[in-house]
Amino acid sequence: QQPVQSPQAVILREGEDAVINCSSSKALYSVHWYRQKHGEAPVFLMILLKGGEQKGHEKISASFNEKKQQSSLYLTASQLSYSGTYFCGTENTGNQFYFGTGTSLTVIP
Amino acid sequence: GAVVSQHPSRVICKSGTSVKIECRSLDFQATTMFWYRQFPKQSLMLMATSNEGSKATYEQGVEKDKFLINHASLTLSTLTVTSAHPEDSSFYICSALLAGGPTDTQYFGPGTRLTVL
Repeated sequence: QQPVQSPQAVILREGEDAVINCSSSKALYSVHWYRQKHGEAPVFLMILLKGGEQKGHEKISASFNEKKQQSSLYLTASQLSYSGTYFCGTENTGNQFYFGTGTSLTVIP
Repeated sequence: GAVVSQHPSRVICKSGTSVKIECRSLDFQATTMFWYRQFPKQSLMLMATSNEGSKATYEQGVEKDKFLINHASLTLSTLTVTSAHPEDSSFYICSALLAGGPTDTQYFGPGTRLTVL
């Protein structure tokens, strides 16, 4: 029931782009994205409520493919501050909420 | 941005004792707060949704008699771990929902690290 994220870990150089995927075995009602720095509480990034929805800021955005039960987080022109563990959180149509397996992102100079 | 505090930040207790963790939204009112736990190097797990003035909604597998949640005001929710045991040792995180605007936004507290000896 826990959504699977891929990749598990990624290392980028500053300025490079990355895509993190979140895939669920259940039909989804919504997808949330979070970033967590080591030893700190997670920070909410965004929520997607509708299939086909895309949202985000300039360099961090996400899409939600309801039919495929997937969401992707896009990080463009990565900065050092983007380093951390990224989690998706999914609410399925049975009103159950699960966090994904996590993706460790490291941005190096 | 909005601020959510948690108290205490760290607690060490003996097995069998109860521990109360407070979650406060400092500059906004939150009718809904969430409680999570996180084991080392693992994903967050939603434990329960706390609604002001009503009973909390617990996720599957979370014992409501073990983890008592009280959301007595629009700025305070408490989680009490009753008769704590070593397996309850974890990082407990709360978040508060700031409703309004195009979408709601969650603000997380800094977390409470519980160690049960």
